[in-house]
Amino acid sequence: TQLLEQSPQFLSIQEGENLTVYCNSSSVFSSLQWYRQEPGEGPVLLVTVVTGGEVKKLKRLTFQFGDARKDSSLHITAAQPGDTGLYLCAGPDSNYQLIWGAGTKLIIKP
Amino acid sequence: KAGVTQTPRYLIKTRGQQVTLSCSPISGHRSVSWYQQTPGQGLQFLFEYFSETQRNKGNFPGRFSGRQFSNSRSEMNVSTLELGDSALYLCASSRTAGVTEAFFGQGTRLTVV
Repeated sequence: TQLLEQSPQFLSIQEGENLTVYCNSSSVFSSLQWYRQEPGEGPVLLVTVVTGGEVKKLKRLTFQFGDARKDSSLHITAAQPGDTGLYLCAGPDSNYQLIWGAGTKLIIKP
Repeated sequence: KAGVTQTPRYLIKTRGQQVTLSCSPISGHRSVSWYQQTPGQGLQFLFEYFSETQRNKGNFPGRFSGRQFSNSRSEMNVSTLELGDSALYLCASSRTAGVTEAFFGQGTRLTVV
């Protein structure tokens, strides 16, 4: 069974600080996605990483896919209150159903 | 291009009742997946429909059912509601069968009292 473990579960930091959250598995994934979800809303796709070692940047957010395609990280530089939300990673299983991590709840304090 | 539309946004039902939720996918998307999200369990996959056929089903009791229409719109039904069914129900659409990237609606918040 493929599982995705996210860490930390919860992170609260001050505006302007940097942070990294992780998404780990013992299984290989063909791709991984990162989503951000705000309270009472559906998750919004941020990025998909496909190639081992791939790095993608979205403004202050940097996403990396591990060389072995078993893990991914999300780094936020100079966090802002608008970055607050639940960050979810997901990847397709062999039946092309998305497997989801439990998420990292991020709070950025002004 | 309109996004995924879920109706209603909020519902309050009594134990034992049944409920039907609706989802209209992005135009051109033929796959619709349903998820249940609760604080304790995270996102749990319910089922996926593609071309009016259930393609995959998660580990939920038979009280949870769904269907998809020829225009790709989908409905899910929960019968004999239990308190534990209180959750945010999310619908996601994608172009093809299988979900490699999901585009979600805003969800329906169901409260069972």
